[in-house]
Amino acid sequence: GAVVSQHPSWVICKSGTSVKIECRSLDFQATTMFWYRQFPKQSLMLMATSNEGSKATYEQGVEKDKFLINHASLTLSTLTVTSAHPEDSSFYICSASGLGGFDTDTQYFGPGTRLTVL
Amino acid sequence: GENVEQHPSTLSVQEGDSAVIKCTYSDSASNYFPWYKQELGKRPQLIIDIRSNVGEKKDQRIAVTLNKTAKHFSLHITETQPEDSAVYFCAQGNTGFQKLVFGTGTRLLVSP
Repeated sequence: GAVVSQHPSWVICKSGTSVKIECRSLDFQATTMFWYRQFPKQSLMLMATSNEGSKATYEQGVEKDKFLINHASLTLSTLTVTSAHPEDSSFYICSASGLGGFDTDTQYFGPGTRLTVL
Repeated sequence: GENVEQHPSTLSVQEGDSAVIKCTYSDSASNYFPWYKQELGKRPQLIIDIRSNVGEKKDQRIAVTLNKTAKHFSLHITETQPEDSAVYFCAQGNTGFQKLVFGTGTRLLVSP
């Protein structure tokens, strides 16, 4: 149980284009989803917290107009990196917590999306 | 503010030895402390967690201890195996807010 999927697993794009990453909770309702980025050999840095049906809460220093987050349903959240640049290249990981018989405090992580911007 | 210090950054042990990783936090309101294991290029996986109403929790070869007074918590792995090799992250949270603050990670290498 508590499976979180993420798509795509990797993406390569040209500078200036936008990329959308999907995060889905497959067997539970995710009332809250989190988006992290992780640089090589570094820790997970929280970018934003999203609750279904409401605007995401961004961490300090994260540009909300650049990293658009939509949490339209209890099983799906999307992160769109707009006008991507090489410095946006990173490993993006989502996590979800919520209802369905699981511990509501526990975050279950997706497999991550490796973004490379040329 | 929220801050989690994790030590050591790297840890090399021989198979069968014990490994201990320690984290220190600053937010006295924190009451939820999970530990995640992340293999290279893969997702973090929860291995054990502890809440502030207990001082120790054990699951087979893995245990976590919590000292709320000193604001530190530790992961203990006994009888280590090569497959325990990974990066381990501690985190602190506050039930209800759900947001987690992660430590800097410990790279554990278990040599056969």
